[in-house]
Amino acid sequence: QLQLQESGPGLVKPSETLSLTCTVSGGSISDNSYYWAWIRQPPGKGLEWIGNSYYSGNTYYNPSLKSRVAISVDTSKNQFSLNLRSVTAADTAVYYCARHGFYWYFDLWGRGTLVTVSS
Amino acid sequence: QSALTQPASVSGSPGQSITISCTGTSSDIGSYNLVSWYQQNPGKAPKLMIYEDSQRPSGVSNRFSGSKSGNTASLTISGLQAEDEADYYCCSYAGSNSVVFGGGTKLTVL
Repeated sequence: QLQLQESGPGLVKPSETLSLTCTVSGGSISDNSYYWAWIRQPPGKGLEWIGNSYYSGNTYYNPSLKSRVAISVDTSKNQFSLNLRSVTAADTAVYYCARHGFYWYFDLWGRGTLVTVSS
Repeated sequence: QSALTQPASVSGSPGQSITISCTGTSSDIGSYNLVSWYQQNPGKAPKLMIYEDSQRPSGVSNRFSGSKSGNTASLTISGLQAEDEADYYCCSYAGSNSVVFGGGTKLTVL
């Protein structure tokens, strides 16, 4: 059964780069039926799509975050990663990795990881 | 790309039916049959409940149904049960390889 697991620092300083990795287990990230996405949720607030990547490297980002975000896929490690630059307290959130197909619904989610931006 | 509009909260008694609305625009909900709905319990990841406006994934109770009219999508839960109490989020494809979520609705079972 395919599973997703986020990993990375739980605390990042303001102005630095937030880096997270999602490990795909029980299946292949190179499955050409799916995209691999990052979604976040500030404490007590709603969900926000950050962006996604296809296994081949094609990426798509939320316009509001596009200038600071990079998502990449490492097929050799069956992982995909999120880098968010120049973070502020507003980037404090639970970050989820997720999977979606060509019809843009997220059918598989990781458990999420809380990242706090603070000095 | 603005968030979809959902009521902040809805409530109902066990056995009743409730409907959660999700209003977008002609650029998102109104243009594509790609609305999905998610249930989120406290401290948990969201769970897919409805996809492609009205399709139900395997394993999701048939008490959950989705519909759409114009720029507004709806999630209806019939035969309300205590276990349905959760936050619910709608999501729509918004063109240009992007999606937008709603602000979320807290369902209280009285």
